[in-house]
Amino acid sequence: GAGVSQSPRYKVAKRGQDVALRCDPISGHVSLFWYQQALGQGPEFLTYFQNEAQLDKSGLPSDRFFAERPEGSVSTLKIQRTQQEDSAVYLCASSFLGQETQYFGPGTRLLVL
Amino acid sequence: AQRVTQPEKLLSVFKGAPVELKCNYSYSGSPELFWYVQYSRQRLQLLLRHISRESIKGFTADLNKGETSFHLKKPFAQEEDSAMYYCAPPHNYGGSQGNLIFGKGTKLSVKP
Repeated sequence: GAGVSQSPRYKVAKRGQDVALRCDPISGHVSLFWYQQALGQGPEFLTYFQNEAQLDKSGLPSDRFFAERPEGSVSTLKIQRTQQEDSAVYLCASSFLGQETQYFGPGTRLLVL
Repeated sequence: AQRVTQPEKLLSVFKGAPVELKCNYSYSGSPELFWYVQYSRQRLQLLLRHISRESIKGFTADLNKGETSFHLKKPFAQEEDSAMYYCAPPHNYGGSQGNLIFGKGTKLSVKP
């Protein structure tokens, strides 16, 4: 079956620009996670959804970051007024339940100039 | 705070040699633990899961509660094992969440 998909795969933004990153999880997966992976680092947790409810957003680095999953399936991570330090790969993962194996998307590589 | 440490940034071995990638974690309780792998130009994928013993490609890992370690092992490395390996315990084990806490990763290079 289809895995987790993310779009766009690459995004170049000018500093100050707003960006929106999309994640399509595996159908039927209740849990959805966003991670940020800086160059040379492991992924770091940003936020977690159970269906449409955002249960944890403790990893979001600033109030410029906003995520939603309005219908409990597709999720969007929005970054307002992008800064150079936002440059990273943004990974989306989904799982049937929170403690189960997470399936990762290919990531969106964001470069802020 | 829960932490995971992968002390080796790079590990280089020859084909056929045993390989061990180290992982130490810091939290109490009986944790679930995962190893994820990322091959070149591919997405992160599950390599091994402690509780269910799911494993691919001949890797094993034993949870040592005394040493709080979950080292990944394979008796005979293959060139196709070259990849980035991440040890990843889930946050709030026993709860309903499960976001992963990744180590910084170890790059395994298997030379012919």
